[in-house]
Amino acid sequence: GNSVTQMEGPVTLSEEAFLTINCTYTATGYPSLFWYVQYPGEGLQLLLKATKADDKGSNKGFEATYRKETTSFHLEKGSVQVSDSAVYFCALVYNQGGKLIFGQGTELSVKP
Amino acid sequence: SQTIHQWPATLVQPVGSPLSLECTVEGTSNPNLYWYRQAAGRGLQLLFYSVGIGQISSEVPQNLSASRPQDRQFILSSKKLLLSDSGFYLCAWGIAGAPEQFFGPGTRLTVL
Repeated sequence: GNSVTQMEGPVTLSEEAFLTINCTYTATGYPSLFWYVQYPGEGLQLLLKATKADDKGSNKGFEATYRKETTSFHLEKGSVQVSDSAVYFCALVYNQGGKLIFGQGTELSVKP
Repeated sequence: SQTIHQWPATLVQPVGSPLSLECTVEGTSNPNLYWYRQAAGRGLQLLFYSVGIGQISSEVPQNLSASRPQDRQFILSSKKLLLSDSGFYLCAWGIAGAPEQFFGPGTRLTVL
């Protein structure tokens, strides 16, 4: 079946450090891929998306590239800020309007 | 612009009591609507989704039910809560034919 695997956290970085959160997926066909972010006590916010192979999603300095050959969608940011501290979820949807399948989430803590 | 509301924000209920959580969407018509649960440990699980008024699909068997009495209203209910129903309940909406979903602020339910 379809599934998403994320690197386990927590990830602790110093401000201005480079961030990578790994995400790989298993899916039949060509899913759309997403990164969502959840700040403490809040709902999920869509951070970025990619809908086909080699697409690069980007937003707020975060980037992720849809790699079909490695079935990956790793999240990167060149210089993290304290305000980036949150839980990050990788997700896929196989059918338009279908259910989102989430990874377990990766907690990021950025220290000043 | 579209907005999604959920209430209540927090709820503490005794075991065996009924439940009603409400979700409404503004600024769009005929959205797809979803209920997810986020248990401790952060994983998200789809509970129900709806593509139209009165149309509900259930993803997992449980003592919860959902209803969609109006186009932009989605209700999650239970007749008798269990301890295992505790969690963070998130409503989401999406546009038919588009892959992304947008989440509400969530309801924190504690069953004692």
